Amino acid sequence: ELKVEQNPLFLSMQEGKNYTIYCNYSTTSDRLYWYRQDPGKSLESLFVLLSNGAVKQEGRLMASLDTKARLSTLHITAAVHDLSATYFCAVDSYRTSGTYKYIFGTGTRLKVLA
Amino acid sequence: DTGVSQDPRHKITKRGQNVTFRCDPISEHNRLYWYRQTLGQGPEFLTYFQNEAQLEKSRLLSDRFSAERPKGSFSTLEIQRTEQGDSAMYLCASSINRGESSYEQYFGPGTRLTVT
Repeated sequence: ELKVEQNPLFLSMQEGKNYTIYCNYSTTSDRLYWYRQDPGKSLESLFVLLSNGAVKQEGRLMASLDTKARLSTLHITAAVHDLSATYFCAVDSYRTSGTYKYIFGTGTRLKVLA
Repeated sequence: DTGVSQDPRHKITKRGQNVTFRCDPISEHNRLYWYRQTLGQGPEFLTYFQNEAQLEKSRLLSDRFSAERPKGSFSTLEIQRTEQGDSAMYLCASSINRGESSYEQYFGPGTRLTVT
């Protein structure tokens, strides 16, 4: 069964500091996604990672993918308060039926302190 | 491009009633997804469509749940004989296969269901 686990579940960090969120998944995946969710809001797509070694950056966030290790990371550089949110990774997995299954991680609730 | 829209945004119903939610995807998107999210959890996949075909259905989707996308455009999610455990946010997303952003999902605002 495909499982997606994130670490840590909760993260409180000071402004200006760097930190990394980890996303492990249990089986082969075709694509890995990172999303942001603000309280009471829907999900906003941040990154789509398609292949081993893929790295994408937007502002203070950088995501990478290691398909051999089944690991993705979301690195936060010089955190600012506006980055406070819950971050989800998600994978889709091709099934022998020819369809896809989509699994989200547990989420990492990030709070950036001034 | 007005984004993914969902209607209603909030629904309060009594246990045992039927409810139907609507999702309008981004116009050129051929895939449409339904998820359920409870407080403090990640979205749980329910089902997805490619055009009008329903391609995958989660075991979470009991026989009380049904989804349709009759003309490959908007979709409806119906819950029959609602139970208190159905209380959640129901999220719709859509996507299209487009190069580097292959099947990137764009989410709607969600429909919050409360079953009393």
